[in-house]
Amino acid sequence: QVRLVESGGGVVPPGTSLRLSCTASGFDFSKYGMHWVRQAPGKGLEWVAVYWYAASVHYYADAMKGRFVISRDNSNNALYLEINSLRAEDTAVYYCARDLSSNTYYYFDYWGQGTMVTVSS
Amino acid sequence: EIVLTQSPATLSLSPGEGATLSCRASQNVGSYLAWYQQKPGQAPRLLIYDAARRANGIPDRFSGSGSGTDFTLAISSLEPEDFAIYYCQHRTNWPPELTFGGGTKVEIK
Repeated sequence: QVRLVESGGGVVPPGTSLRLSCTASGFDFSKYGMHWVRQAPGKGLEWVAVYWYAASVHYYADAMKGRFVISRDNSNNALYLEINSLRAEDTAVYYCARDLSSNTYYYFDYWGQGTMVTVSS
Repeated sequence: EIVLTQSPATLSLSPGEGATLSCRASQNVGSYLAWYQQKPGQAPRLLIYDAARRANGIPDRFSGSGSGTDFTLAISSLEPEDFAIYYCQHRTNWPPELTFGGGTKVEIK
């Protein structure tokens, strides 16, 4: 079955960088767009970025442009998110999510369990 | 930027009752709207996409309707496992803009 497992979260000081990973299994990873979505404690959901399945095409939510870098490694079924110059407001659970369709439909049909990032000195 | 407003913020109901949740968009979004369910400590689960299409494995007591700016998620008869927070989500194709509503909490009365 489809499985997404995030890792790399933790408690980090402001101004530092962090790289989150998502390992996928149970489907042909190379054929699906993949997303990052975050959720601050007690708050709603916020889309971060998408990496399409082909042609190195990716896109960020306006609020995420500049400090966030999404990448993927289809040979290892892995999705990554690098967050630079971390701020307190980046504190959130970061979810990896699969796009509903191989045509990148921009809905999320499978989610990982999330990895918590806490930015604090 | 399209803003999605969900109402009510909280819905207090008993098991067996029906629920009606609303999601209003600040602009016409056609039928490009999805609904998710999230339980405490869990990731969201896709229920409905394209306003009215049930995702795989979703019971038929969940139904979505609407188009343009007004959308509804209906739960015909609440089961104990349906008490959760529900989010709506809009998407555009290009440039991709994916936004969520603030959520409606369905709690046990």
